[in-house]
Amino acid sequence: QLQLQESGPGLVKPSETLSLTCAVSGGSISSSNYYWGWVRQPPGKGLEWIGSVYDRGHTYQNPSLKSRVTISVDTSKNQFSLRLSSVTAADTAVYYCARHLVNVEKSSTFFDSWGQGTLVTVSS
Amino acid sequence: SSELTQDPAVSVALGQTVRITCQGDSLRNNYASWYQQKPGQAPVLVIYENNRPSGIPDRFSGSSSRNTASLIITGAQAQDEADYYCNSRDSSGNLVVFGGGTKLTVL
Repeated sequence: QLQLQESGPGLVKPSETLSLTCAVSGGSISSSNYYWGWVRQPPGKGLEWIGSVYDRGHTYQNPSLKSRVTISVDTSKNQFSLRLSSVTAADTAVYYCARHLVNVEKSSTFFDSWGQGTLVTVSS
Repeated sequence: SSELTQDPAVSVALGQTVRITCQGDSLRNNYASWYQQKPGQAPVLVIYENNRPSGIPDRFSGSSSRNTASLIITGAQAQDEADYYCNSRDSSGNLVVFGGGTKLTVL
């Protein structure tokens, strides 16, 4: 059974960089056809896609965050990571990692396995 | 603002059928997926490509017509009370968008 687990600091200062890692177990991050994504949820608000990475390093991101987002994958450790630079209070959210399937032929995209989420607060 | 529009709140009587909708131009050419989220928990995929993942009760189903995707719960149970989010590709087909979410109350 695939499991994903986020880890990283729960408190980040304004203007600094938020760094999170998602450890994947029960399956290989190099599996074909899968992307690995990050989704966040500000307190009391809805879900927002941040970006996704393929095992060979191809990434695509939400344009509203693109200039601040770096997503990378480490196949040797079976994990992938998120870096979000120049954070502000608006970046305070629960951050989820998830397995992301993109089916171009069926014009479909969905997230079928999620981590439990980790709350990151931006505050001095 | 989201390219996918959902009603903020919907209610249903216990045992009745409810339809939760998601509207957006991208849905004319793309499937929607649906997620259930209970307080303090991660989202759970309940419908993709109008199919149910393994382990999801068959009272959950999905359909689509023109620019609207629907999540249908036939015989709603108390445990179905949750927030529901739709998700799809954006109009360009290159990016991912979520709807704003619908809070379902089971009366």
